[in-house]
Amino acid sequence: EAQVTQNPRYLITVTGKKLTVTCSQNMNHEYMSWYRQDPGLGLRQIYYSMNVEVTDKGDVPEGYKVSRKEKRNFPLILESPSPNQTSLYFCASRPSGYQETQYFGPGTRLLVL
Amino acid sequence: DQQVKQNSPSLSVQEGRISILNCDYTNSMFDYFLWYKKYPAEGPTFLISISSIKDKNEDGRFTVFLNKSAKHLSLHIVPSQPGDSAVYFCAASVTGTASKLTFGTGTRLQVTL
Repeated sequence: EAQVTQNPRYLITVTGKKLTVTCSQNMNHEYMSWYRQDPGLGLRQIYYSMNVEVTDKGDVPEGYKVSRKEKRNFPLILESPSPNQTSLYFCASRPSGYQETQYFGPGTRLLVL
Repeated sequence: DQQVKQNSPSLSVQEGRISILNCDYTNSMFDYFLWYKKYPAEGPTFLISISSIKDKNEDGRFTVFLNKSAKHLSLHIVPSQPGDSAVYFCAASVTGTASKLTFGTGTRLQVTL
C-alpha cells in the first residue's frame, strides 16, 4: 500500500529534551516536506526537500532541523523543544513535477511541557 | 500575514443540499489552487485542484470555481453526504516555487441528516 508513515503518533516530552519524529514514504517520491498545524493558523510549512541531500526552509523553520540522506526518509529533529512547539505535525511527499498533489502522513501530536 | 483565508471556521448543511466552502487569497502570484479534506486523526487528503488558466473544475460531486479578479475560490459539494463531514483546507501555490503550498485555516463542514 502506497503511504507516508510517521512515528511516533503521539509524544509527550519536556523542554530541552531532544527528539526526532521519523517520516518514511514508499512511493519513491522526490519531494518531501514537514508541516505543523495549529488552531487558527492552518498548516504551515517547516522544511522541505526536493531530493536526497537537498533541503530548504519553509515558513516556520526556527527550532527545527531536517536531513534527507535517503530518498524514502525525512526525519524532523527538535534539538531543544520548547512549549511553543506543541503542535500537530504532518509529513508529506509527492513525485517531481510541479502540480502533483502531496500525500500526507497521519500526523504526530506533540506536547512539550 | 495570512495569504490564504477561509473566513468561515464552520458550516452546517443538511444531507442532500449543496455545501459551499469559500476561500480568499491575497497573493496575485498564486496560480494553482487545491482543496484538501481532513478527517480527525488522519492526514489531509487531496480532493480537487484548479489551475489559474481555468475558472471551473469538476470531479463528480465536487466542483471548484476560481474568480481571479476577486481572488476568490469556492468548493461546491452537491449533493452533500454525511461522509463529507470533515475539515476542508484550501491551498495555493506559485509555479516555480518548489510547489510550496500555502494553506488556509480550514472550514469544518458538518452534514446533518
